[in-house]
Amino acid sequence: AQSVAQPEDQVNVAEGNPLTVKCTYSVSGNPYLFWYVQYPNRGLQFLLKYITGDNLVKGSYGFEAEFNKSQTSFHLKKPSALVSDSALYFCAVRRLPARQLTFGSGTQLTVLP
Amino acid sequence: GAVVSQHPSRVICKSGTSVKIECRSLDFQATTMFWYRQFPKKSLMLMATSNEGSKATYEQGVEKDKFLINHASLTLSTLTVTSAHPEDSSFYICSARDRAGQSSETQYFGPGTRLLVL
Repeated sequence: AQSVAQPEDQVNVAEGNPLTVKCTYSVSGNPYLFWYVQYPNRGLQFLLKYITGDNLVKGSYGFEAEFNKSQTSFHLKKPSALVSDSALYFCAVRRLPARQLTFGSGTQLTVLP
Repeated sequence: GAVVSQHPSRVICKSGTSVKIECRSLDFQATTMFWYRQFPKKSLMLMATSNEGSKATYEQGVEKDKFLINHASLTLSTLTVTSAHPEDSSFYICSARDRAGQSSETQYFGPGTRLLVL
């Protein structure tokens, strides 16, 4: 079964510092991995995805994620955090047959001014 | 980017009534739409996969007679919560996958519908 795990419920970082939100995956076959962000009482916004190709994926709002096959990880990163990045972040993996997404438990990111 | 809308954004209803939630893809065609349920500060749980022109596929444990899904066109799917009860109160989110080209692996999410059953 396809699954992702987000080991941290909460991540706090100071504005201007680099941030990392962790995600590990467990899949059979090639993984299709995604990051989404959710602001309060809103739907999810797509940040980036890894399907194939370069292990470093660049996405929206300055975010990037590194696919690491040996560590089965897909951590979300940003070099310099903004207060406006504070939100709930979800890692997800695609499963078949209809390409449904299975989400991780979510990580609340708080960027402190 | 692709836009998905939901209507209504918030609904309050009495126990025993039925509520219909619409999900529309505004600038693309979606062969497949998905319905999720999210509890406060929790992850999204997939309820069902909505396929245009055919029956929806429900996840294990989701009552298909309680959560009726209709996907009548390539841009519209509806979720009807029948005989709603307070335990059905939740945040319902739909998503749609653009069937065209390289974007077909990406799901675009609606803004969600907050349902409160009194």
